[in-house]
This record gives sequence, structure tokens and C-alpha cells, in this order.
Amino acid sequence: DIQLTQSPSFLSASVGDRVTITCRASQGINSYLAWYQQKPGKAPKLLIYAASTLESGVPSRFSGSGSGTEFTLTISSLQPEDFASYFCQQVNSYPSTFGQGTKLEIK
Amino acid sequence: QVQLVQSGAEMKKPGASVKVTCKASGYTFTDYYIHWVRQAPGQGLEWLGWINPHSGTTKSPQKFQGRVTMTRDTSISTASMELRRLRSDDTALYFCARSLTGLLWFDPWGQGTLVTVSS
Repeated sequence: DIQLTQSPSFLSASVGDRVTITCRASQGINSYLAWYQQKPGKAPKLLIYAASTLESGVPSRFSGSGSGTEFTLTISSLQPEDFASYFCQQVNSYPSTFGQGTKLEIK
Repeated sequence: QVQLVQSGAEMKKPGASVKVTCKASGYTFTDYYIHWVRQAPGQGLEWLGWINPHSGTTKSPQKFQGRVTMTRDTSISTASMELRRLRSDDTALYFCARSLTGLLWFDPWGQGTLVTVSS
């Protein structure tokens, strides 16, 4: 199975900060990577797919990049509603796997 | 709008079975795969498998084969996931989610169903 390792696991930041979350795959997955946002007790919400394509309705402060084994999710200017957990998912090969998550907290 | 609505919370004893349903609306049910994903308390996400509502074909990781059964009823646009021989480490929030193919990102997700396994 392909392992996805996210870093950091916890991130403390302030409103207006620029933050970057990294997702590393144990083997190449081309651009078959998605990013999700999850708030406590809620379902994940798709933010970015195909590594860098912004899902419709998602604010442009979110962006994704990378291919192969290293990917990043960047939030250019944190807003209060962005404090949540973020997960990456690979859909290059079965079984689909997820990163362990990054919890973004208010400093 | 596209929506997946899941059945309510369940409490089960070890060794029992649980069935979670996922009712789709706002799109043609048979045009998209339904996946099942779970999240143990404070943990990450784990994929349990998918069903193709058009054909009824299913796929799941080896870890769950023999313990998970996924079905669908196209007449009511509902997918179901049954997990048997429950253990305490099956306690989790179970989600259904939609994708265009068997190996693609999920959007949207159901609201989640909490399954608690305890004696």
C-alpha cells in the first residue's frame, strides 16, 4: 500500500498567516492526489484534486502543487474559518490511502 | 443539490453486525461510485471499499474482505455497508462518499454515522 506522510501533524498559526502543509508519498503517484478539509464531527470537504485543481467554490487562497512523491497545500492568508484538519489522499492505485492529517490551530 | 444522507448512530456488542445506509439525491445514482471510509476517534481516514451502483460490482481492500458487504438498491438510490464480527477497534465514524470512478477523489461525503462497539 502507498503510505502518505503529512507534515507537520500540528500547526499553530494566526489569522493572515501563510501556511504550507506537505504530503509525501512512499512511491510515485503522478498527480493523483486530493486535499480535504475537515472540521470536528463533520465530513471531509474536497478542496483540491489532481494535485493542483481547485474545487469549484473553494476560495482562491487555497492552492496545491506537486507531482510524483511530494505535494503541498498552501493557504495564502489564513481566515478564521480555515482552522480545521487537512488530509491528503492518493488515488493512483488501490487501496486508496490518506495521510494522517494536519491539525491547524489558532495561535 | 447533490447530497448523501446516512442512517443514524449505532451501538453494537462485539461479534455483532452493523448496517449503515447512504441515501443519494440530486444526481443519477447509477452514474457514480459510492465509497465507504471510516475514521476512528482522533485518527485518520481508512478506505473500506466501493460499490458501482450501476453494476453492483464491489471492491475492498484485503483487510476487510470477508467482513464487509456493500450493496445497493437503485429503486431508492441507497447504498448500504454491512460490517460483521465487530470488534472494539471498529468503533469509528463511518462515511459514504461519491466518486466518478472507482479510483478518484470523493465529493461529496455523507454526514457520517457513528458506530460504537462495546460490551
